[in-house]
Amino acid sequence: AQKITQTQPGMFVQEKEAVTLDCTYDTSDPSYGLFWYKQPSSGEMIFLIYQGSYDQQNATEGRYSLNFQKARKSANLVISASQLGDSAMYFCAMREKTSYDKVIFGPGTSLSVIP
Amino acid sequence: DSGVTQTPKHLITATGQRVTLRCSPRSGDLSVYWYQQSLDQGLQFLIQYYNGEERAKGNILERFSAQQFPDLHSELNLSSLELGDSALYFCASSVEGGHSTDTQYFGPGTRLTVL
Repeated sequence: AQKITQTQPGMFVQEKEAVTLDCTYDTSDPSYGLFWYKQPSSGEMIFLIYQGSYDQQNATEGRYSLNFQKARKSANLVISASQLGDSAMYFCAMREKTSYDKVIFGPGTSLSVIP
Repeated sequence: DSGVTQTPKHLITATGQRVTLRCSPRSGDLSVYWYQQSLDQGLQFLIQYYNGEERAKGNILERFSAQQFPDLHSELNLSSLELGDSALYFCASSVEGGHSTDTQYFGPGTRLTVL
């Protein structure tokens, strides 16, 4: 079974608008971490934001915020005020306590920002 | 710039050959991870080393091997190469690797093309 699901293979957003990229995960472990990475067309993987399963508040990093709904097992990434440079693949990833050394990545969502 | 370096950036070789990919982790990071990213398989975890010792193994083929040296740099050796081994190979590093909060920072990747 897929541990990380990203149901939107491709998304479009108008420049300066906000966009939400969906991520749902599957785990029975009470302790886990959730990560979002950005991969622009140049290929590098850029760490964006982290959310711990026990964190009481949603994580925020600049224009990135994580809408963490633990009961629904979702960790959606919200990008505010989209910029052209936000066009990239976005990957949701999870690390469980039972396998701390292994990070599982979702299939990714391709985001295109339209001027 | 994540601080993780990988060489070479591009590698073109023939089937049956052997290649070595090199990775230097961020200063202070003890864990090194190797990933393979291909179009059909997505981002797959291969193997992890912590302070010179193998800690976790993922979907790594027997034709592939890795090691981490005393100076903490790591090498991934790919032998008897097949066309299907063509992919982007990432190295990532993290401080420790034993906690769900431990963030992995990725290098720029090595694009391997097997002809």
